[in-house]
Amino acid sequence: RKEVEQDPGPFNVPEGATVAFNCTYSNSASQSFFWYRQDCRKEPKLLMSVYSSGNEDGRFTAQLNRASQYISLLIRDSKLSDSATYLCVVNGGNTGGFKTIFGAGTRLFVKA
Amino acid sequence: NAGVTQTPKFQVLKTGQSMTLQCAQDMNHNSMYWYRQDPGMGLRLIYYSASEGTTDKGEVPNGYNVSRLNKREFSLRLESAAPSQTSVYFCASIQDSGYSGNTIYFGEGSWLTVV
Repeated sequence: RKEVEQDPGPFNVPEGATVAFNCTYSNSASQSFFWYRQDCRKEPKLLMSVYSSGNEDGRFTAQLNRASQYISLLIRDSKLSDSATYLCVVNGGNTGGFKTIFGAGTRLFVKA
Repeated sequence: NAGVTQTPKFQVLKTGQSMTLQCAQDMNHNSMYWYRQDPGMGLRLIYYSASEGTTDKGEVPNGYNVSRLNKREFSLRLESAAPSQTSVYFCASIQDSGYSGNTIYFGEGSWLTVV
């Protein structure tokens, strides 16, 4: 089993739609959680951190469920510019030292 | 502010050739990383350097060597390239590897093809 698992998609949605991505992680000692966005042939960039209480940034909402070891990202009112790959990232744990694990990513296509 | 700069952006190698990917960051970060990204595999850590003068193996170190030349620079060397090393390579840096909440900053990537 992969340490961080995501549905690879692709998700094809019309503009204005609401879309949700899920991510599960296997290490219960993981400490920090993030969503990164990666455009085609570009480097990943931080979209938002994920906090235990849930957090929102404009049209984007991230949730963390530690009991179920599950992270989600909700995008409301999708825009064409939201088309990208979204990477779930899990950091820390009891292995000692710095450890960051990236999911393989979920591809999103938003169509006019 | 340039952030993380890596070169070259594109490279084609023949099997058995050697090459070095260069990376430099101007954010005064302590920790630097080399990842490779393959379709369906996500980003996998090759080597990392938690601080100047130290390097450690990541998930997929075989076939690679690294040098942390100074605080700014972290290079990745392929001594004898193999087709399995065809991939996109990303250099990254982070302020303090001891704090798991820090943001990772990536370079623009190096597309390497081994034929």
